[in-house]
Amino acid sequence: DIVMTQSPDSLAVSLGERATINCKSSQSVLYSSNNKNYLAWYQQKPRQPPKLLIYWASTRQSGVPDRFSGSGSGTDFTLTISSLQAEDVAVYYCQQYYTTPPYTFGQGTKLEI
Amino acid sequence: EVQLVESGGDLVQPGGSLRLSCAASGFTFSDFDMHWVRQRTGEGLEWASGIGNGGDTHYVGSVKGRFTISRENAKNSLYLQMNDLSAGDTAVYYCVRGMGDVWGKGTTVTVSS
Repeated sequence: DIVMTQSPDSLAVSLGERATINCKSSQSVLYSSNNKNYLAWYQQKPRQPPKLLIYWASTRQSGVPDRFSGSGSGTDFTLTISSLQAEDVAVYYCQQYYTTPPYTFGQGTKLEI
Repeated sequence: EVQLVESGGDLVQPGGSLRLSCAASGFTFSDFDMHWVRQRTGEGLEWASGIGNGGDTHYVGSVKGRFTISRENAKNSLYLQMNDLSAGDTAVYYCVRGMGDVWGKGTTVTVSS
């Protein structure tokens, strides 16, 4: 199974500052036939289900503010929040959905102000 | 409105069985892969099982041989039959559409004597 490792486990960032969360996969999730990275990012606030932010590593889901961006390829990925807002306090997860399941998640990164 | 509503969560004794259901609405259910993702209290997300729109099924190793995922397209419904339950299966179980863009609110399974 592909192991997803996020860093850091927790992060405190001031309002208006940049937040960066990293995700590393134990093997490449880049599918060569379509040049797509099978990697998604989710945001989960307390007592809510997760919300899809980014898919294909860098495509923003409809309705997601443009301060959220995803980058990376192969085994190393980053979620960046360009200017942190109070409502961005949450736990963030990466997930790979490369070829055959299980579609494993990272352990999560807790983002605080 | 696109919606997923889980049901069937309950308190069950170790070794017992439970069947979860997920009712889908607002989209063509038969077109989508569907998944069950679980989350133990205070912990991260774990992809548990998935079923393709063609009926192919997949499981995480810890539930193989105990859980069975199925779907009934005519009823826009997804199911998870869980047998031989143990304390480690205690979690909120989420029903998830396709690439993670739609999640239900979850149903709680508690395995305890």
